[in-house]
Amino acid sequence: GAVVSQHPSWVICKSGTSVKIECRSLDFQATTMFWYRQFPKQSLMLMATSNEGSKATYEQGVEKDKFLINHASLTLSTLTVTSAHPEDSSFYICSAQPLLAGFSYEQYFGPGTRLTVT
Amino acid sequence: QKEVEQDPGPLSVPEGAIVSLNCTYSNSAFQYFMWYRQYSRKGPELLMYTYSSGNKEDGRFTAQVDKSSKYISLFIRDSQPSDSATYLCAMSANSGGSNYKLTFGKGTLLTVNP
Repeated sequence: GAVVSQHPSWVICKSGTSVKIECRSLDFQATTMFWYRQFPKQSLMLMATSNEGSKATYEQGVEKDKFLINHASLTLSTLTVTSAHPEDSSFYICSAQPLLAGFSYEQYFGPGTRLTVT
Repeated sequence: QKEVEQDPGPLSVPEGAIVSLNCTYSNSAFQYFMWYRQYSRKGPELLMYTYSSGNKEDGRFTAQVDKSSKYISLFIRDSQPSDSATYLCAMSANSGGSNYKLTFGKGTLLTVNP
């Protein structure tokens, strides 16, 4: 149980285009979903927190107009990287917090999406 | 000073060895402490979590938290090649409401050699 999927797993796009990444909780409902970015040999950096039906809360330094988050349902959140540039190339990982969490900080992570902007 | 410091390694040990992984932190408000395992090109998987100070054991894994020293550890006994992965510590402050943000260490790359 507690499976989170991400699609696509790997995407290459040209500079200036937009890319949408989907995050789905497959066997549970998630009150909150989180989006992280991970550069090689670096830790996961939280980008934003989203709750179903609400606007996402972005971390300091993350451009909300560039990284659009839509939390459409209790099982789906999307991250759209608009006007992508090579510096946006990274590993993007989502996590989902179950509606009935066993403990307050319980999160399940997706497998990640590797974005390469050329 | 970063909130969470973790030696990135790499750490290489023979099969059967006891592995010790550590993190230090500076934010005294952290109360929840977690260890995640991340295989290459995969998302992190929760191994253990601990609230406040103390020890917690689960099979071959033991998590320790020393809040007075702001130091947490993960011990792996009888390490196996399948334990080869990056281990990330994560922690969170009990700030109430719905603030469940995690702060991660950089991760330690562990290789267990057969």
